[in-house]
Amino acid sequence: KQEVTQIPAALSVPEGENLVLNCSFTDSAIYNLQWFRQDPGKGLTSLLLIQSSQREQTSGRLNASLDKSSGRSTLYIAASQPGDSATYLCAVMESIYNTDKLIFGTGTRLQVFP
Amino acid sequence: GAGVSQSPSNKVTEKGKDVELRCDPISGHTALYWYRQSLGQGLEFLIYFQGNSAPDKSGLPSDRFSAERTGGSVSTLTIQRTQQEDSAVYLCASSSVPGLAGTQYFGPGTRLTVL
Repeated sequence: KQEVTQIPAALSVPEGENLVLNCSFTDSAIYNLQWFRQDPGKGLTSLLLIQSSQREQTSGRLNASLDKSSGRSTLYIAASQPGDSATYLCAVMESIYNTDKLIFGTGTRLQVFP
Repeated sequence: GAGVSQSPSNKVTEKGKDVELRCDPISGHTALYWYRQSLGQGLEFLIYFQGNSAPDKSGLPSDRFSAERTGGSVSTLTIQRTQQEDSAVYLCASSSVPGLAGTQYFGPGTRLTVL
């Protein structure tokens, strides 16, 4: 059974710092991996999607990498801002069962203070 | 364009009552998903609809849970005889790309509280 874990569970940093959020998964037979941001009362916003054949994706100050063989992904946030404060979730889509369901990680709660 | 919408945003009910939660996917999206987010379990898959295919119900926790999707658009998640452990945020998502490649777009969720 696929299990997705995120470290750290919570993170509090001053504005301007570069951050690394970690995601690990137990079964490397994934089709893609997504990073989401969750703000209170606003559902989830997709940040980056990495297909299993890709090694990384970039969007603005965000960069996500994927090492499928080792079961790891990292989300790098450059020059953090208070507006980045949210919970970050990674999710994998498995390729074995031919279904579209996402298996979510436990989340990292980020607080960036001025 | 408009995103995924869900109603109600909050629902408080008494144990044993039935509830219906509604999801309006993004127009034209053929795939629709229901997830549940609770304190003890994190975010977990419930059910998946794709076009006219039979839904994947593998994530439904019990037979008290059911869902339908009418006309390939709006979906309703029904919980019968609610229990306190059903308290959670129920999230709906839709995708325009069926299969294993599409980004899922999430609604704001319905917070269900069972007293």
